[in-house]
Amino acid sequence: DAGVIQSPRHEVTEMGQEVTLRCKPISGHDYLFWYRQTMMRGLELLIYFNNNVPIDDSGMPEDRFSAKMPNASFSTLKIQPSEPRDSAVYFCASSSWTSGKGLEQYFGPGTRLTVT
Amino acid sequence: AQSVTQLGSHVSVSEGALVLLRCNYSSSVPPYLFWYVQYPNQGLQLLLKYTTGATLVKGINGFEAEFKKSETSFHLTKPSAHMSDAAEYFCAVTNNNAGNMLTFGGGTRLMVKP
Repeated sequence: DAGVIQSPRHEVTEMGQEVTLRCKPISGHDYLFWYRQTMMRGLELLIYFNNNVPIDDSGMPEDRFSAKMPNASFSTLKIQPSEPRDSAVYFCASSSWTSGKGLEQYFGPGTRLTVT
Repeated sequence: AQSVTQLGSHVSVSEGALVLLRCNYSSSVPPYLFWYVQYPNQGLQLLLKYTTGATLVKGINGFEAEFKKSETSFHLTKPSAHMSDAAEYFCAVTNNNAGNMLTFGGGTRLMVKP
C-alpha cells in the first residue's frame, strides 16, 4: 500500500484566501484523523471520522475550518478565509479496527501551510 | 481528561550512548500509551505501544519502553544510540479503547553526536 497520501505537500497563500488540503487514507481503513502541528501548540487533533462520518470536531479551532469525507478514500480540510495564525503543518492519519490494529494510526507526510 | 508531559524538549547523546526519553502521563482510567518518531519533513511513525499485559514493550529500531503505573511513566530507552536515531519523539496517551482521542506530549528532539 502507498500509505496515507496528502496533497499538496506545501501551500503558500495570502491571508483571506480559501485553502483546501486533501487526504487519501490507506485503503480499508475506517478511521481518519486530521491533526495540526505548530511550535506553540504541538500536535492537536482537529477532527476525526469513522466510516466517513465525523465523530468529534471539538478540536476544530473555529468556523473558518471545515472538514468533509465524501467517501472512504478521500477527505478534505478547508480553511476559509485563511489567516497567518493558521500557518502550520497539517497531518492526516488513518487506522483500521477491522484489521485488529485500530490503535495504530498511520500518518501521512503532512501539508506545510504558510499564510502570508 | 488525560495529558502527557515529556521532560526535556531537547536531548543530546553521543553515538553509542544510552538513550532515555522521559514521558509521564495523567489519566483517570488505565491508559494506552504510545511512542511515535518523526524524522525531518515526514509524518509520525509508530515506534511501540502499550495496551495491556507485559509492561516492558519492545518496538522497532531497538527501542523499548516500560509502563510503570506507580510512577505514571512510560519512558523510552535504547541501549546504544545511532546517528540515524536523530529525530523528534512523541509520547501519546489514550484511554479510549477505540484509540481515537490521542493526546500527544510536546515532543523531545533527540540529537546524536558522533
